[in-house]
Amino acid sequence: AQKVTQAQTEISVVEKEDVTLDCVYETRDTTYYLFWYKQPPSGELVFLIRRNSFDEQNEISGRYSWNFQKSTSSFNFTITASQVVDSAVYFCALSPFPYGQNFVFGPGTRLSVLP
Amino acid sequence: DAGVIQSPRHEVTEMGQEVTLRCKPISGHDYLFWYRQTMMRGLELLIYFNNNVPIDDSGMPEDRFSAKMPNASFSTLKIQPSEPRDSAVYFCASSFWAGEAEDTQYFGPGTRLTVL
Repeated sequence: AQKVTQAQTEISVVEKEDVTLDCVYETRDTTYYLFWYKQPPSGELVFLIRRNSFDEQNEISGRYSWNFQKSTSSFNFTITASQVVDSAVYFCALSPFPYGQNFVFGPGTRLSVLP
Repeated sequence: DAGVIQSPRHEVTEMGQEVTLRCKPISGHDYLFWYRQTMMRGLELLIYFNNNVPIDDSGMPEDRFSAKMPNASFSTLKIQPSEPRDSAVYFCASSFWAGEAEDTQYFGPGTRLTVL
């Protein structure tokens, strides 16, 4: 069965600190997608990234970076030099290829960045 | 572009009533997704369309739920009859497939549904 675990329920950091959000997944599929989404306090959902299982290259986008390791079934998300605006709930998700059945979200990690 | 538009933003109805949620995707996008978020179950993908065709509705909770996409600019999610456990925020998202390296989903603001 598909499963996504985000063991960190809540994290608090002080502005400018680096923070890593963990995501561990379980799947029997050989090809799949991994995602990260952001949900700020306002409630909207923001898509951050989609990663294909056959592409293990790390991704960097500004202050955001993602580390995908198939060997440990992890897809961790790091925010460098965190800012107050990064305060949000972050969701990791897993989908079979291309999408659909058994699309699973993790429970989310609430990140609070304090000034 | 105005982004993904959802209506209504809030809906309060009584158990047993029919509820229709609407979504207008971004022009030119070929994928449309319906998600639901509740405190108990978290985020769930209900159904998605590709080029107006429903591809996978395995996330639709039961027969009371139905979704349609009659054209590329409009989709509906209908609940008939509604029940209190359907109370949730329903998000619509759209995306354009530009190859494996490119695929950004754009979300609407959500519809907060309360069934009394």
